Amino acid sequence: AQTVTQSQPEMSVQEAETVTLSCTYDTSENNYYLFWYKQPPSRQMILVIRQEAYKQQNATENRFSVNFQKAAKSFSLKISDSQLGDTAMYFCALGTGNQFYFGTGTSLTVIP
Amino acid sequence: KAGVTQTPRYLIKTRGQQVTLSCSPISGHRSVSWYQQTPGQGLQFLFEYFSETQRNKGNFPGRFSGRQFSNSRSEMNVSTLELGDSALYLCASSSPGQQWETQYFGPGTRLLVL
Repeated sequence: AQTVTQSQPEMSVQEAETVTLSCTYDTSENNYYLFWYKQPPSRQMILVIRQEAYKQQNATENRFSVNFQKAAKSFSLKISDSQLGDTAMYFCALGTGNQFYFGTGTSLTVIP
Repeated sequence: KAGVTQTPRYLIKTRGQQVTLSCSPISGHRSVSWYQQTPGQGLQFLFEYFSETQRNKGNFPGRFSGRQFSNSRSEMNVSTLELGDSALYLCASSSPGQQWETQYFGPGTRLLVL
């Protein structure tokens, strides 16, 4: 069975600081995709970053980057220079086989 | 481009009734997926439609069904509503390509079952 685990229900970070959100997953598939989605209080889910499992290079999108450790099945998200607008629920997700799996989410609060 | 739209945004139903939710994907997107979000169970995948065919399916009972039209618009139906069906239902669309391409989510339909 496929699973996605986010062990940090809540986190906080000072504005302009760096924070890392953890995610581990389990799958027996060789081909899969990993995602971080952000859901601000307004509820619209937004893609933060996407990683194909066959790519060794870690994905980056401006202030967002991932540390993809395939052997360890770990997929953490690093947010640099945190901004107030980064306050949201962050979901790690796995797309594989014929299903899509979300973790339980990490609520991130950026403190001014 | 206009984003993913979902109608209605809010619904109140009673147990035993049925409900139909609608999703219009981003223009050009042919894949539409549906998710249920609840405080207790989190986000759960319901099903995905591609070119009017159900391509993938989550672990939900048969009371949950869907369909996709030739213009890629999708509807989700829940029959014989139960209190536990109260949730935010999210729709997401993606462009053709490999499976599990980037999904773009709509604002959701909040369903309350009384």
